[in-house]
Amino acid sequence: SQQGEEDPQALSIQEGENATMNCSYKTSINNLQWYRQNSGRGLVHLILIRSNEREKHSGRLRVTLDTSKKSSSLLITASRAADTASYFCATRQIFQGGSEKLVFGKGTKLTVNP
Amino acid sequence: DSGVTQTPKHLITATGQRVTLRCSPRSGDLSVYWYQQSLDQGLQFLIQYYNGEERAKGNILERFSAQQFPDLHSELNLSSLELGDSALYFCASSLDSGANVLTFGAGSRLTVL
Repeated sequence: SQQGEEDPQALSIQEGENATMNCSYKTSINNLQWYRQNSGRGLVHLILIRSNEREKHSGRLRVTLDTSKKSSSLLITASRAADTASYFCATRQIFQGGSEKLVFGKGTKLTVNP
Repeated sequence: DSGVTQTPKHLITATGQRVTLRCSPRSGDLSVYWYQQSLDQGLQFLIQYYNGEERAKGNILERFSAQQFPDLHSELNLSSLELGDSALYFCASSLDSGANVLTFGAGSRLTVL
């Protein structure tokens, strides 16, 4: 089952605009991650935010986390055509016995038009 | 180049056949994860190995099996293939057994005809 659900499923903007993607999840987490995937390629880790953090920045990326609402958002400022990709949030699920898995949402497909 | 190597990049085969996908983790990483990505199911976790031992299991079918060898490379075996097994199969690796930051390979695209 999907732990994270991204919203919107698809987003189309013009170069220079900001892009905001949201992620909601269901269970308790100790961190939430965002990954990027260019069409048909492997996922690339962008940023990790811990459950005791509310906001984190990395270059043009800004991630917020609201554990009371079980939601996170990814903001890409001053978008570029090269930002065109799918963006996924991922959360850790912990099994009985302590093993873990990283569960991904279905992603937001971002298109940045030049 | 992420440092995670997957072969083959593309594979076309017929229903009922068996294939093996191979993954070499990033140097120093002890954990290997396998994910399946299809259009309708998204990215599904299949299985994780840590230092040669199975660590966590996800939605892996009984027709699928995996292992991690002493040199830490991993193989995912898919047998009695069905049309619905057509997907991108990703391998990812991480330093430890906790599902923190994963480094993904470029994937193996399997097409079952």
